[in-house]
Amino acid sequence: DVKVTQSSRYLVKRTGEKVFLECVQDMDHENMFWYRQDPGLGLRLIYFSYDVKMKEKGDIPEGYSVSREKKERFSLILESASTNQTSMYLCASRTLQGRSSYEQYFGPGTRLTVT
Amino acid sequence: DQQVKQNSPSLSVQEGRISILNCDYTNSMFDYFLWYKKYPAEGPTFLISISSIKDKNEDGRFTVFLNKSAKHLSLHIVPSQPGDSAVYFCAASEYTGLSFGAGTTVTVRA
Repeated sequence: DVKVTQSSRYLVKRTGEKVFLECVQDMDHENMFWYRQDPGLGLRLIYFSYDVKMKEKGDIPEGYSVSREKKERFSLILESASTNQTSMYLCASRTLQGRSSYEQYFGPGTRLTVT
Repeated sequence: DQQVKQNSPSLSVQEGRISILNCDYTNSMFDYFLWYKKYPAEGPTFLISISSIKDKNEDGRFTVFLNKSAKHLSLHIVPSQPGDSAVYFCAASEYTGLSFGAGTTVTVRA
């Protein structure tokens, strides 16, 4: 079974703090994604990565950056957290091989609260 | 502008009856569609999918229908069970990955 893990389930940070969210997948997937989920808005793509050291902006990249130094790990960074970044953050991975190439596998999510 | 829309934020259905969830999309280049199910405090899990070259796909109690001319797909759950109570997301595949709808919260009443 594919496993995608996220470093924290719940996180509380103060406005202006730098925040790191870590994601690790164990299936050697090429692509990794960061989404945020907000009520009434569904999942919105923040950043994605095709492969190691490669990244592309998604629909809402402002206020975020990412890092992918190793294939299995994809980090989301909030340079200076703000209250409007309070949300559920979901990491996902995807293989480009075979019939499962459309399906993304999600981690359990990190509920971030910025006060 | 959202390319995938789920216009019903919630659905309540009696146990044993059919649940029908609807999804509309605007981008005719989407070539694959998926449904995900999400419980509170968990990540979404894949439920069922359909290629744009098909109009129906069945997996047990779950059936997805695709009407390309109307840019519409639907998920049928028959019969609905209490464990089906969750948020259901419709997603469409494009180059960068998946575009998701806003979700429909399904509540199955005993």
